[in-house]
Amino acid sequence: EAQVTQNPRYLITVTGKKLTVTCSQNMNHEYMSWYRQDPGLGLRQIYYSMNVEVTDKGDVPEGYKVSRKEKRNFPLILESPSPNQTSLYFCASSLRGTYSNQPQHFGDGTRLSIL
Amino acid sequence: AQTVTQSQPEMSVQEAETVTLSCTYDTSESDYYLFWYKQPPSRQMILVIRQEAYKQQNATENRFSVNFQKAAKSFSLKISDSQLGDAAMYFCAYRSGNQGGSEKLVFGKGTKLTVNP
Repeated sequence: EAQVTQNPRYLITVTGKKLTVTCSQNMNHEYMSWYRQDPGLGLRQIYYSMNVEVTDKGDVPEGYKVSRKEKRNFPLILESPSPNQTSLYFCASSLRGTYSNQPQHFGDGTRLSIL
Repeated sequence: AQTVTQSQPEMSVQEAETVTLSCTYDTSESDYYLFWYKQPPSRQMILVIRQEAYKQQNATENRFSVNFQKAAKSFSLKISDSQLGDAAMYFCAYRSGNQGGSEKLVFGKGTKLTVNP
């Protein structure tokens, strides 16, 4: 089954404790992306990756890191989480990034609470 | 930078009736793609319909159709014969179609649709 898998689905942690949210897709997609969703703000892009070893900032990259060492994986790293990073996070992938009408397939979301 | 505006934070419709969700966008590009995504309470993001800007014909997917007005930069979603399962948050999204354009998918803030039995 074609899917984007995020882990964990829920996480409560404390300020400053490094965490990683994993994202994996099994569709051989080139393009992967991370979003955060906050009430009243819709979805905002954090980082995206056009292919292996190619990443770029989205609209709200501060406080986040990503890496794309393999095509299927695109982890989101919070080196020193803060309460303002409490949010619902989505990973998404699509076949192509550049000028493509291919829709993005989304994971089920990760609810992060930073205390 | 492109922006997407959904002016209706909440809408409601009676079951079996028709409802239209509005979306406007701002861009200086001529080639782009527009999407409507549905997010039910399960939080999944599900693609509902897509439209290529170079196509004049409005996209349709079963009970879902769009009214794409390129000159007015408007992209509304019409849901016909509304069903209880249509209740969800709906997001309009924009993506550049120009070579060298932004790779970002820009979302509106969403419209929460309630379907009344």
